Amino acid sequence: GENVEQHPSTLSVQEGDSAVIKCTYSDSASNYFPWYKQELGKRPQLIIDIRSNVGEKKDQRIAVTLNKTAKHFSLHITETQPEDSAVYFCAASSRSSASKIIFGSGTRLSIRP
Amino acid sequence: SAVISQKPSRDICQRGTSLTIQCQVDSQVTMMFWYRQQPGQSLTLIATANQGSEATYESGFVIDKFPISRPNLTFSTLTVSNMSPEDSSIYLCSVDRDKTDTQYFGPGTRLTVL
Repeated sequence: GENVEQHPSTLSVQEGDSAVIKCTYSDSASNYFPWYKQELGKRPQLIIDIRSNVGEKKDQRIAVTLNKTAKHFSLHITETQPEDSAVYFCAASSRSSASKIIFGSGTRLSIRP
Repeated sequence: SAVISQKPSRDICQRGTSLTIQCQVDSQVTMMFWYRQQPGQSLTLIATANQGSEATYESGFVIDKFPISRPNLTFSTLTVSNMSPEDSSIYLCSVDRDKTDTQYFGPGTRLTVL
């Protein structure tokens, strides 16, 4: 079955700097890659997603890149702000697995003022 | 996005008892999913619940421990049976509302077993 690995587990960056979180997946049939942000005590919230037919997607300060050949995808947050502090989860799914989403282990991002 | 609610939001239970968690969606959805999130951990899929068929359980989860109902297209329940302290977790339901693979999560049920 699908396995998603996520690095780093914790990340601390200075406010205004960029943050990058990287994930790899094992199932070559995976074609959908969402990213979720989970603040303390809250539900996971979808922040951006990418499908396997594109290599990059951007939404304001966040962007996601996908390398299908290497089975890598990454989340980039630019001009980080205190409200970006949260746990971020990458995930992967495929229609062949009935749209099940398999999550990475999470990255706790802290923004230093 | 979908409006998803869960009941209860939290509960403290005694070992050996059972708790049923409800998930309600504001529109009809084909697929509903149940996840467990242990303290400080990621989300682990328990099962997929489709209306009109038996739930499909992931490896490590069995129907006797986590029976699921899906009586209609807007509602599902997950029961945590014969609870032990190891069942203390947050349980979340999610839906793929638009059949686009995008899942939206309910607010979760925080369960503590003493």
